[in-house]
Amino acid sequence: KAGVTQTPRYLIKTRGQQVTLSCSPISGHRSVSWYQQTPGQGLQFLFEYFSETQRNKGNFPGRFSGRQFSNSRSEMNVSTLELGDSALYLCASSRQGPDYNEQFFGPGTRLTVL
Amino acid sequence: QQQVKQSPQSLIVQKGGISIINCAYENTAFDYFPWYQQFPGKGPALLIAIRPDVSEKKEGRFTISFNKSAKQFSLHIMDSQPGDSATYFCAATIISGYSTLTFGKGTMLLVSP
Repeated sequence: KAGVTQTPRYLIKTRGQQVTLSCSPISGHRSVSWYQQTPGQGLQFLFEYFSETQRNKGNFPGRFSGRQFSNSRSEMNVSTLELGDSALYLCASSRQGPDYNEQFFGPGTRLTVL
Repeated sequence: QQQVKQSPQSLIVQKGGISIINCAYENTAFDYFPWYQQFPGKGPALLIAIRPDVSEKKEGRFTISFNKSAKQFSLHIMDSQPGDSATYFCAATIISGYSTLTFGKGTMLLVSP
């Protein structure tokens, strides 16, 4: 079974630009969550999507947005990039069920903002 | 407000020794506590998890101890091996189907040969 895939793996952008990151969940998984990982703040929750609907959102500015498609693939977008947006962006997918389901993480997209 | 506090930040253990990582949480609504292991260049992978109705859970060399009254839980790695060298994150969540994890800031473990 293929794992969570994220593209691209590495990105270099300059301040003020925007960027779109992509995540393909494990087949059959309908929930996709995004996390930002930095050395200072650790792993912080961005948002979670299920069946194309954002169900939960973390404490990030509106420059961070996302969406989910009917095939459960998800994208996140960051507009007007700032130096502080440099981070590893992780996507995780899980099945939906009556109990908590394990989140499977992708390898992440390393974003560097210059 | 940091809802899950993890210590130590880094840890060096000799091969064969016991590695202990501690976490404390604030939100009493949390009802599921997973530990994740992350190697460089990889995403976090679930190692072991516990619910608050259990005080201890063991899987191989990895054991979680849970103290509900103190709102603390810890990971013990017995017979630590160089291959265990990684960053470990504790996390907490509410089982509601929303799959939102609140992470500790991580512990970088180095097991010396």
